[in-house]
Amino acid sequence: GQSLEQPSEVTAVEGAIVQINCTYQTSGFYGLSWYQQHDGGAPTFLSYNALDGLEETGRFSSFLSRSDSYGYLLLQELQMKDSASYFCAGANRDDKIIFGKGTRLHILP
Amino acid sequence: DGGITQSPKYLFRKEGQNVTLSCEQNLNHDAMYWYRQDPGQGLRLIYYSQIVNDFQKGDIAEGYSVSREKKESFPLTVTSAQKNPTAFYLCASSMGRNQETQYFGPGTRLLVL
Repeated sequence: GQSLEQPSEVTAVEGAIVQINCTYQTSGFYGLSWYQQHDGGAPTFLSYNALDGLEETGRFSSFLSRSDSYGYLLLQELQMKDSASYFCAGANRDDKIIFGKGTRLHILP
Repeated sequence: DGGITQSPKYLFRKEGQNVTLSCEQNLNHDAMYWYRQDPGQGLRLIYYSQIVNDFQKGDIAEGYSVSREKKESFPLTVTSAQKNPTAFYLCASSMGRNQETQYFGPGTRLLVL
């Protein structure tokens, strides 16, 4: 089957850096997306990696290695407002997108 | 302002009742999606549509139905065949076949009385 695996929870300190990993088991995924969801809210798009390597958008960066079926989201200079759930998602050649179960990020002051 | 709207925000369903969740977008996006999210879980795809008058089943389509008569609208009906409908329902859209970048509506929370 096709699946994306993420840690269920991660805890970090305000101002620090945190990395949220995503590994996938599937054939034909051609990219990895990341979404942020605050409690009770809707997911919002953060980044998309179509190619291997690092994509940087402000305090957030995302990395993909298709040969390793692995990616991560890197959040720098953590702020309390970054407390949320983060989902990786992959689209495959059948045009179906699959989401991981999400990683809940707790930030300590 | 462009965006996706969903209504109602909360919906209550009685046993044996069909209910319809509304989703409208003015982003001129071709593709639209319906997801179900249960507490502490990820998003599971119910149905998606890439063009008007065409839609495809996702991973958990049983007990649900959709229509796509207009580009802007993609309503979801939760039928009485769906035995565990309590969940947070999210509608999304994307430009063309670019499923990797989806824009979500605010969601509808469905509760069973």
